[in-house]
Amino acid sequence: GENVEQHPSTLSVQEGDSAVIKCTYSDSASNYFPWYKQELGKGPQLIIDIRSNVGEKKDQRIAVTLNKTAKHFSLHITETQPEDSAVYFCAASEAGGYQKVTFGTGTKLQVIP
Amino acid sequence: GAVVSQHPSRVICKSGTSVKIECRSLDFQATTMFWYRQFPKQSLMLMATSNEGSKATYEQGVEKDKFLINHASLTLSTLTVTSAHPEDSSFYICSALDEKLFFGSGTQLSVL
Repeated sequence: GENVEQHPSTLSVQEGDSAVIKCTYSDSASNYFPWYKQELGKGPQLIIDIRSNVGEKKDQRIAVTLNKTAKHFSLHITETQPEDSAVYFCAASEAGGYQKVTFGTGTKLQVIP
Repeated sequence: GAVVSQHPSRVICKSGTSVKIECRSLDFQATTMFWYRQFPKQSLMLMATSNEGSKATYEQGVEKDKFLINHASLTLSTLTVTSAHPEDSSFYICSALDEKLFFGSGTQLSVL
């Protein structure tokens, strides 16, 4: 089955700096890669996703890149703000997400004011 | 995005009792819902896939007789933890598919 690795496990940045979280996946059949933000005691919230036919996608301060050859994908958050502090999970799925999604181990991001 | 409602948000029960958790898709119909379990500071572990009108598909190692799943309508799936024990204490999260995967707010189960 699919295996998703995520690094780093914790990340501290100064407010205004950028944060980068990296993931790798093992199954070349995976074609859908969502990213989720989870605040303490809440369910994960979808923040951005990318499909395998696209190399990069951006939504305001958040961007995701995908390297299918290397089976790498990354989340980039620019101009970080304290409210960006949370746990971020990457994930991978086949069939555009209509089959089960495999999650990474999570990254706890702390933005220091 | 689509809204998934999960209730209750927190439940405390005595060992040996059963607890039901509801997951509703509020503004869309979901033929497929998923149930996850999450331990503190860990990732989400898929427990089962809930399909409307058919039996749920359980992941390896998940006891189907302990974690009963019912998906009787296109907007409601329920997870019942039967004869709960302290080791069942965890954060349970449901999700539903509406082109993309959307999550409920989770249920913190504490079994005394």
